[in-house]
Amino acid sequence: KQEVTQIPAALSVPEGENLVLNCSFTDSAIYNLQWFRQDPGKGLTSLLLIQSSQREQTSGRLNASLDKSSGRSTLYIAASQPGDSATYLCAVRTSGSRLTFGEGTQLTVNP
Amino acid sequence: DTGVSQNPRHKITKRGQNVTFRCDPISEHNRLYWYRQTLGQGPEFLTYFQNEAQLEKSRLLSDRFSAERPKGSFSTLEIQRTEQGDSAMYLCASSLAFGGTEAFFGQGTRLTVV
Repeated sequence: KQEVTQIPAALSVPEGENLVLNCSFTDSAIYNLQWFRQDPGKGLTSLLLIQSSQREQTSGRLNASLDKSSGRSTLYIAASQPGDSATYLCAVRTSGSRLTFGEGTQLTVNP
Repeated sequence: DTGVSQNPRHKITKRGQNVTFRCDPISEHNRLYWYRQTLGQGPEFLTYFQNEAQLEKSRLLSDRFSAERPKGSFSTLEIQRTEQGDSAMYLCASSLAFGGTEAFFGQGTRLTVV
């Protein structure tokens, strides 16, 4: 059974800091990995999708890496802003079509 | 707006009542998924459809839950005889039907059972 773990559970940083969120998964036989952002009481917004054959993806100030063999992914956020405050969720797609999610990292960026 | 649409956004119901939620996926997406999320947790898979066929159901989907996608477009999720433990955010997502594609989520339906 696939299990996804995200560390840390919560993170508070001053504005402008670069930061790294971590995601690990137990079954390396994945199709892809997706990072999402969730604002309080809202749905999920897709940030980045990394296919199993890829090592990283970039979008603006976000960079996600994938090391499938070790079961790890990181989300790097450069020059953080208060508007980046949200919960960040990592999800992997393995067998079938379901996504398995971690419990998320709650990020607070202080002005 | 061509994103995933869910209605209603909020639902408060008394224990024992039946509730139904609707999801309209992105129009060209033939896969549709339902997830449930409780406070402080990541979403948990409930079920998914490819076109009108329900291809997978989680053991979380008890016999009080039923989902349909009658014409391969919108989907409904019904919960019968609601219990307080059913209180959660119900999320719908859609994607194209091959393994490497991106899933897009709606804004969710927040259910509160009192």
